[in-house]
Amino acid sequence: DIVMTQSPLSLPVTPGEPVSISCRSSQSLQHGNGNNYLDWYLQKPGQSPHLLIYLGSNRASGVPDRFSGSGSGTDFTLKISRVEAEDVGVYYCMQALQTPRSFGPGTKVDIK
Amino acid sequence: QVQLQESGPGLLKPSQTLSLTCTVSGDSITSGTYFWSWIRQPAGKGLEWIGRIYFSGSTNYNPSLKSRITISIDTSKNQFSLQLTSVTAADTAVYYCAREDTLVRGGHDYWGQGTLVTVSS
Repeated sequence: DIVMTQSPLSLPVTPGEPVSISCRSSQSLQHGNGNNYLDWYLQKPGQSPHLLIYLGSNRASGVPDRFSGSGSGTDFTLKISRVEAEDVGVYYCMQALQTPRSFGPGTKVDIK
Repeated sequence: QVQLQESGPGLLKPSQTLSLTCTVSGDSITSGTYFWSWIRQPAGKGLEWIGRIYFSGSTNYNPSLKSRITISIDTSKNQFSLQLTSVTAADTAVYYCAREDTLVRGGHDYWGQGTLVTVSS
């Protein structure tokens, strides 16, 4: 099974500042078709998770363009160009290359 | 608008069988584009993928739970279900159903609101 790790696990942020979250996988998530099978989710307090980024760098429908995903192979990054108060919650990466799907432990983002 | 709604008992005793159903609206469960998944989250903890089913009935399960789980689909009701046998306190969690797009785009793009299942004697 693929093991996912994230850093940091906790991230106090200042509104308006940039934010970066790292995700690593125990094996490459790049398929032979060139796609990287890595998704990012945000779970706001008291809510279900929702999809932010799929295939490493594609924003899901309705996701603001301040969110961006990058990376390839085993190293991925989620960036928020200017974090807003509504962005607080837990961010999870998930590998979608193979089953069983596996999530990272989550990065809790809150306001300083 | 696609919606998923979990339903089922919220309280079980140890050794009983957990049975949950996810009702899908706004989309046909027979759409060949999607898998239909179950994911759970113990209180204050992270997300654990349980398994998924395709409209054809093909399934993938988490090996950590494989001996205890069955995911089934009822296309006539536009529903899919989860059964987890021999539950213990460790199975106490919020259970989510979700739609996964693996053919066109990617990601679990729609989620249910989640249902809390508590296992306690």
